[in-house]
Amino acid sequence: EPEVTQTPSHQVTQMGQEVILRCVPISNHLYFYWYRQILGQKVEFLVSFYNNEISEKSEIFDDQFSVERPDGSNFTLKIRSTKLEDSAMYFCASSVEWIAGTDTQYFGPGTRLTVL
Amino acid sequence: DAKTTQPPSMDCAEGRAANLPCNHSTISGNEYVYWYRQIHSQGPQYIIHGLKNNETNEMASLIITEDRKSSTLILPHATLRDTAVYYCIVKETSGSRLTFGEGTQLTVNP
Repeated sequence: EPEVTQTPSHQVTQMGQEVILRCVPISNHLYFYWYRQILGQKVEFLVSFYNNEISEKSEIFDDQFSVERPDGSNFTLKIRSTKLEDSAMYFCASSVEWIAGTDTQYFGPGTRLTVL
Repeated sequence: DAKTTQPPSMDCAEGRAANLPCNHSTISGNEYVYWYRQIHSQGPQYIIHGLKNNETNEMASLIITEDRKSSTLILPHATLRDTAVYYCIVKETSGSRLTFGEGTQLTVNP
């Protein structure tokens, strides 16, 4: 069964450094998402992406964050200058399509980001 | 977003059916109900979704009341591996985000 994959599984970085989290969505999917989960807290939506554009973003997704689909298979989340509070699990998800309220999103296993 | 209310925790004996309730009294007519689960800190796993009719797949059944103000996820024969946090989400029609709540921690006991 096709799966969303994410690399690395764990990333440790120093505060102020840039990090890039990578995702390979399911191959025929057209919509891509990033969510994060701070330890012990809820899963929070960050951004959705379609046709090489951000289609929706949350208030968390500020100028420090950016997303890109650099080629036909990868989808990346970049954090420009990491802060301690960026430490979290980051989940990538993808869906085939979005039809007014029904787009089943499939999640990857996550990347644990630790900012020291 | 339509808000959902779920019990914080439930227990179930292995092999028995687990019935997880969810209230969503402010749901709009074209909003779908989605269920996901999360085992430890793994990525959320899609289980099932529905609009108004009851749905069944290989993992679970979803029963939605006629007025659509509540639903129940049924795991027919729970196993230890079904221990997880289960999220009931009402999917907004205008956007793409899934809004996760606190969910229900289901513990399946031997």
